[in-house]
Amino acid sequence: DAKTTQPPSMDCAEGRAANLPCNHSTISGNEYVYWYRQIHSQGPQYIIHGLKNNETNEMASLIITEDRKSSTLILPHATLRDTAVYYCIVRSYLTQGGSEKLVFGKGTKLTVNP
Amino acid sequence: NAGVTQTPKFQVLKTGQSMTLQCAQDMNHEYMSWYRQDPGMGLRLIHYSVGAGITDQGEVPNGYNVSRSTTEDFPLRLLSAAPSQTSVYFCASSQTGVGEKLFFGSGTQLSVL
Repeated sequence: DAKTTQPPSMDCAEGRAANLPCNHSTISGNEYVYWYRQIHSQGPQYIIHGLKNNETNEMASLIITEDRKSSTLILPHATLRDTAVYYCIVRSYLTQGGSEKLVFGKGTKLTVNP
Repeated sequence: NAGVTQTPKFQVLKTGQSMTLQCAQDMNHEYMSWYRQDPGMGLRLIHYSVGAGITDQGEVPNGYNVSRSTTEDFPLRLLSAAPSQTSVYFCASSQTGVGEKLFFGSGTQLSVL
């Protein structure tokens, strides 16, 4: 299974863009990159996912490098409510029966400062 | 839609007691899973299921049992609770297939004394 590496913590000023990096150098061709976040002790929340093209939705943008070995989650105008732990996950597939599991790492603690 | 519902929200057990954490979803999702989260750690997968009657182990399955008799429910059983099982437990569900996103419950905080 491809592993991900994220910085343990980052800070961002309110109103500025937050750029969260993720390294997934062993990603394989059929693996997607997913981003989730966890605010305080709530259940994680889906943000965005992508395969090789850049993606954008109402929450964020996802930039994946051409070699797919790294990606960046962009929150264009961070607010205090975006303070959370952000998880970058590569979705791995087991070889038997098409079953799958989602493996989380420790994520990046993003603090948005006023 | 209620989404993913976990009960109870809080539970205190004594070592050796048994209990079942309940998880139900009303989105007709085939895939369901259980994670535990310890302080300073990410989420670790305990067990998962890709459909009724099918379950499999995740990263940390020891001490936990699961079954999936219906699409909607995926209970997690602790047969003999240990202090090492003190944690926050999250249930999640999704459709199966490439690109599907996980929906999480609000968690169960379990303390084993």
